[in-house]
Amino acid sequence: DGGITQSPKYLFRKEGQNVTLSCEQNLNHDAMYWYRQDPGQGLRLIYYSQIVNDFQKGDIAEGYSVSREKKESFPLTVTSAQKNPTAFYLCASFNLRGSEAFFGQGTRLTVV
Amino acid sequence: QQQVKQSPQSLIVQKGGISIINCAYENTAFDYFPWYQQFPGKGPALLIAIRPDVSEKKEGRFTISFNKSAKQFSLHIMDSQPGDSATYFCAASNSGAGSYQLTFGKGTKLSVIP
Repeated sequence: DGGITQSPKYLFRKEGQNVTLSCEQNLNHDAMYWYRQDPGQGLRLIYYSQIVNDFQKGDIAEGYSVSREKKESFPLTVTSAQKNPTAFYLCASFNLRGSEAFFGQGTRLTVV
Repeated sequence: QQQVKQSPQSLIVQKGGISIINCAYENTAFDYFPWYQQFPGKGPALLIAIRPDVSEKKEGRFTISFNKSAKQFSLHIMDSQPGDSATYFCAASNSGAGSYQLTFGKGTKLSVIP
């Protein structure tokens, strides 16, 4: 089955700790994206990558970092510099020859 | 400024009624307008999409109406069912920009009551 897999589904972070959210796709899509979702805020773009070893900041990149070492993988690290990390994080991939974005099932991050 | 403004923020409709969600955009370079449906705790999934060369697209009970001159598009859900209760996001992108970014509205939470 082709799709996007995010893990873990739930993640708890202590104050001052870095955590990494995983996103893997087997759709052979070139572009991958990370969004943050907060109630009433819609989906806000954190980072995106259109090609291996290259990525661009989105609208709310501060406190986050990413890597794109493989086409299939686009992990997101939430660093201690992100002051309000509690949110629902969504990874998506995009076929550059089409326009549909496919989303993973999300990771809910909570600071404890 | 690439913005997509969506309204209403929440909507309650009786079963069998028509649900209407509206979006307006500013960037005239946008050329792809999808609607996504999201159930609680899940990722959004593409529902229906339209390009500006047509004014309306229908798939089952779901219809997109597009008004290029007004820079507005809307989603109509006919014969709304309790299973349609979800959050709906409109979005827009400029496929000629090379960045393939989707700009999302803030979402509409639809509740269909029996």
